Amino acid sequence: GAGVSQSPSNKVTEKGKDVELRCDPISGHTALYWYRQSLGQGLEFLIYFQGNSAPDKSGLPSDRFSAERTGGSVSTLTIQRTQQEDSAVYLCASSSRQRPQETQYFGPGTRLLVL
Amino acid sequence: GNSVTQMEGPVTLSEEAFLTINCTYTATGYPSLFWYVQYPGEGLQLLLKATKADDKGSNKGFEATYRKETTSFHLEKGSVQVSDSAVYFCALSPYGGATNKLIFGTGTLLAVQP
Repeated sequence: GAGVSQSPSNKVTEKGKDVELRCDPISGHTALYWYRQSLGQGLEFLIYFQGNSAPDKSGLPSDRFSAERTGGSVSTLTIQRTQQEDSAVYLCASSSRQRPQETQYFGPGTRLLVL
Repeated sequence: GNSVTQMEGPVTLSEEAFLTINCTYTATGYPSLFWYVQYPGEGLQLLLKATKADDKGSNKGFEATYRKETTSFHLEKGSVQVSDSAVYFCALSPYGGATNKLIFGTGTLLAVQP
């Protein structure tokens, strides 16, 4: 079946602009994660959604970052007033259940470049 | 806190050589442990996992054993191929947390030469 999809695959923006990144998880997966992969910080967790529960936002680096998940499916990560240090690959993952051993399936990522 | 430490790369090997990539972790309780692989130009893929002590995960000739006594999950392969060239990430998912986020190591670049 279809895997996790993300759009756009690449995004170039100017410092100070807002950007929206989209994630379509695997159908039926209730858990959705956002991670960031950058040269300086490696792979780091940003935010987690599980069903209708309140999201875990503990990994968001600043209040310029926010995310929502509508209808328990598609998620959008929004970065306001982008800074050059936001340049990174943003990865989305989904899993079928909320268990530590559950495999997370990753999308191809959105490569963000802030000029 | 929870953390993962893996050997720095790059690791350069000749085809058919034996591979070990070391990974150690710090965690409370009994985390689940994973190896993910990222091939050039592709997304992260699960390579193998182990969910309790002494479990061995295996896939595509790769193996890793969950060693609680040494808090390690080293990745091994008996005979690497050029096609194994990729970045390998060790990761853990803490036990009992409300969020099953993955905590990753820094990644190890493997380059296999013909």
